[in-house]
Amino acid sequence: SQKIEQNSEALNIQEGKTATLTCNYTNYSPAYLQWYRQDPGRGPVFLLLIRENEKEKRKERLKVTFDTTLKQSLFHITASQPADSATYLCALDPRDTGRRALTFGSGTRLQVQP
Amino acid sequence: DADVTQTPRNRITKTGKRIMLECSQTKGHDRMYWYRQDPGLGLRLIYYSFDVKDINKGEISDGYSVSRQAQAKFSLSLESAIPNQTALYFCATSPGARAGELFFGEGSRLTVL
Repeated sequence: SQKIEQNSEALNIQEGKTATLTCNYTNYSPAYLQWYRQDPGRGPVFLLLIRENEKEKRKERLKVTFDTTLKQSLFHITASQPADSATYLCALDPRDTGRRALTFGSGTRLQVQP
Repeated sequence: DADVTQTPRNRITKTGKRIMLECSQTKGHDRMYWYRQDPGLGLRLIYYSFDVKDINKGEISDGYSVSRQAQAKFSLSLESAIPNQTALYFCATSPGARAGELFFGEGSRLTVL
């Protein structure tokens, strides 16, 4: 069956460290993958998109990698700050299912301690 | 004002009642979506629409229906609400490009007693 897996356990790190979140998928061949941030009680907000032919994408303190062989994306926040505390969702384009809308993982909650 | 507006933001209702959640957008996007979010299950797609004449079922459409009244409006209906439809519902829009990011509303929290 098709699955998108993100670590359900919260990730706790100290301010200033690099946070690394993982998104694994099975039985998909996505053309691209997106990452979103969601604060409690709010709608998700788009952060980054990476295409299948891109290995890495950066935006300010954010970096995303995409390994289609491992079927994995890593999301890094460098020099993390308490304001980065939120839930981070990965989403992919399930083009091989015939559906034409993003499929989301369940998200990983990041807590950055001051 | 928000680009994607959902009403109501909170609603408590009883089993068997008909409920409509409304979504309107000012972004001029053709594509609109309804997702449901439950703790531990992430966002699951209910319905999506690529224009007023193109409406598609998502992975959990049973018990729901939608109406795309105009490019800017996409409504989700629960004809006869049941307790396991208690959830946080999100409307989202995206531009026409396939890889376009989604723009979400603030959510509608529905409780069915």
